[in-house]
Amino acid sequence: ELKVEQNPLFLSMQEGKNYTIYCNYSTTSDRLYWYRQDPGKSLESLFVLLSNGAVKQEGRLMASLDTKARLSTLHITAAVHDLSATYFCAVDVDSNYQLIWGAGTKLIIKP
Amino acid sequence: DGGITQSPKYLFRKEGQNVTLSCEQNLNHDAMYWYRQDPGQGLRLIYYSQIVNDFQKGDIAEGYSVSREKKESFPLTVTSAQKNPTAFYLCASSRGQVWPQHFGDGTRLSIL
Repeated sequence: ELKVEQNPLFLSMQEGKNYTIYCNYSTTSDRLYWYRQDPGKSLESLFVLLSNGAVKQEGRLMASLDTKARLSTLHITAAVHDLSATYFCAVDVDSNYQLIWGAGTKLIIKP
Repeated sequence: DGGITQSPKYLFRKEGQNVTLSCEQNLNHDAMYWYRQDPGQGLRLIYYSQIVNDFQKGDIAEGYSVSREKKESFPLTVTSAQKNPTAFYLCASSRGQVWPQHFGDGTRLSIL
């Protein structure tokens, strides 16, 4: 059974600091997705990582994928309050349209 | 603007009642999905459809049913067999397998 584990599940940090969210998964997969969800809202696609070594960056967020270690990271640089949200990673299962989702990391950035 | 429309935003179900959640997309996407989200948890797949008139069960399909008669529409029925239906339901669509999924704003279902 494929499992996707995110850590930490909750993170409170100060503006201007750097931090990394980790997404570990338990079986082989070459496709990993990061999404953002604001409270009570829908999910927004952030990054699609499709191969080992893939790195994507958008503003203060950078995501990477290491398929050999079965690990993806979401790095936040010089955090700002607007990045407060819950971040989910999701892993493709056997290329059959099913994604397995992590439990999410709730990020609170304090001014 | 293209997007996914879910309705209603809030829905209340009585005991023994079936309710239907609407999902419409104008993105011309082939694939559509229904997820359930419980507080503090990730998303769990209920059903998905790759093309019209075809759909597949996800991890938690029991107590739910779907149809895909049109490319744009993928309604979800929560039947009385689903004993714990209170959750946030999200509909999504994607162009294909490796493309990101686009989500609607969700329907929050509660039991009266």
